[in-house]
Amino acid sequence: QSALTQPASVSGSPGQSITISCTGTSSDVGSYNLVSWYQQHPGKAPKLMIYEGSKRPSGVSNRFSGSKSGNTASLTISGLQAEDEADYYCCSYAGSSTVFGGGTKLTVL
Amino acid sequence: EVQLVESGGGLVKPGGSLRLSCAASGFTFSSYSMNWVRQAPGKGLEWVSSISSSSSYIYYADSVKGRFTISRDNAKNSLYLQMNSLRAEDTAVYYCAREAVLNIWGQGTMVTVSS
Repeated sequence: QSALTQPASVSGSPGQSITISCTGTSSDVGSYNLVSWYQQHPGKAPKLMIYEGSKRPSGVSNRFSGSKSGNTASLTISGLQAEDEADYYCCSYAGSSTVFGGGTKLTVL
Repeated sequence: EVQLVESGGGLVKPGGSLRLSCAASGFTFSSYSMNWVRQAPGKGLEWVSSISSSSSYIYYADSVKGRFTISRDNAKNSLYLQMNSLRAEDTAVYYCAREAVLNIWGQGTMVTVSS
């Protein structure tokens, strides 16, 4: 049950695109198409942004997209907006457990 | 409105016990698996435990196995987490979340383990 690896921080200017990577192993990210991404603003509960690798829940902006290649999943946010500034966590099913990434702080410059 | 509301958090001494509850509303609780996820102060999210809709399948993180017990009462639309032998490192906000994709979260309840 080792944590998935995410960059500690990323930044971008309004209107730009950023990508957050999430690296796991062949026991989690690489074995299942069950990676999800969560957005968390300070003091708030996490919010599901992407599930099953690339699907968006109803109400989530199409500026958010997800993908996967091998043992690495990615979250891309296009057309950055001030309200996108938050912590982002990836998460993967891993058989009889679920594993999160360490989180990435997104700063909108 | 689909909602999850946690309760039962508080201050407990090391070695003590606490029982968390999560009240569900706005959806058919008995149709969904449920999870507990925690977040230590200033740290990331950590999956704690999950339970299937009929309680047939139960899983725990290695960090809590043997100390925590997840359960549910579908008649009461409620999820529980019995926490025993608590340690300082269990200090966190505990969230309940719906389904394996964690698509609905509660607001969390704070558990502080300290002497």
